[in-house]
Amino acid sequence: KAGVTQTPRYLIKTRGQQVTLSCSPISGHRSVSWYQQTPGQGLQFLFEYFSETQRNKGNFPGRFSGRQFSNSRSEMNVSTLELGDSALYLCASSDIQGGETQYFGPGTRLLVL
Amino acid sequence: AQSVTQLGSHVSVSEGALVLLRCNYSSSVPPYLFWYVQYPNQGLQLLLKYTSAATLVKGINGFEAEFKKSETSFHLTKPSAHMSDAAEYFCAVSTGGATNKLIFGTGTLLAVQP
Repeated sequence: KAGVTQTPRYLIKTRGQQVTLSCSPISGHRSVSWYQQTPGQGLQFLFEYFSETQRNKGNFPGRFSGRQFSNSRSEMNVSTLELGDSALYLCASSDIQGGETQYFGPGTRLLVL
Repeated sequence: AQSVTQLGSHVSVSEGALVLLRCNYSSSVPPYLFWYVQYPNQGLQLLLKYTSAATLVKGINGFEAEFKKSETSFHLTKPSAHMSDAAEYFCAVSTGGATNKLIFGTGTLLAVQP
């Protein structure tokens, strides 16, 4: 099976802009989670989707949003970008729910200037 | 609330030496515990997972971890380090239930000296 894919891999934006990142899970996986990785804060959970429903959300401002489509692909959006949003955004997918192993994509590296 | 503590942000070993990366967790319910490895400019790769089936868990690339409930620990070991083991290692905990949310430790950067 193909792994988790994320597009784009690299992105440069300026403050105030918005950005949309995409994630395609492993075929058959219905759960998609997003994480932000920064040198200062480490790996932090953003949100989780299962069957198109957000079932868990981390402690991030409302500028961060996401959605999941019927084919389990997911997108996350960050509006009104700030310098501190520069990070590696990782997507992970898993089979069902509850303690299942999450398989991570290569990430999208976002740089906000 | 769950949490993970990784002692030692940087660990350096010689090639062929024992690798020991420490992880302690806090969880109000029986946890699922994971070790992931991250190579530069890549995502996270699963090394191993504890799900209560056995306290000693064997993973990929010769790594293993032992779950010790009394010590709330899940330390990662490898008998003999290889240069290719140089990477960052993350311990993570999940409560399971209706979520796959992972809480990660701060990571340990492993250097392997020739």
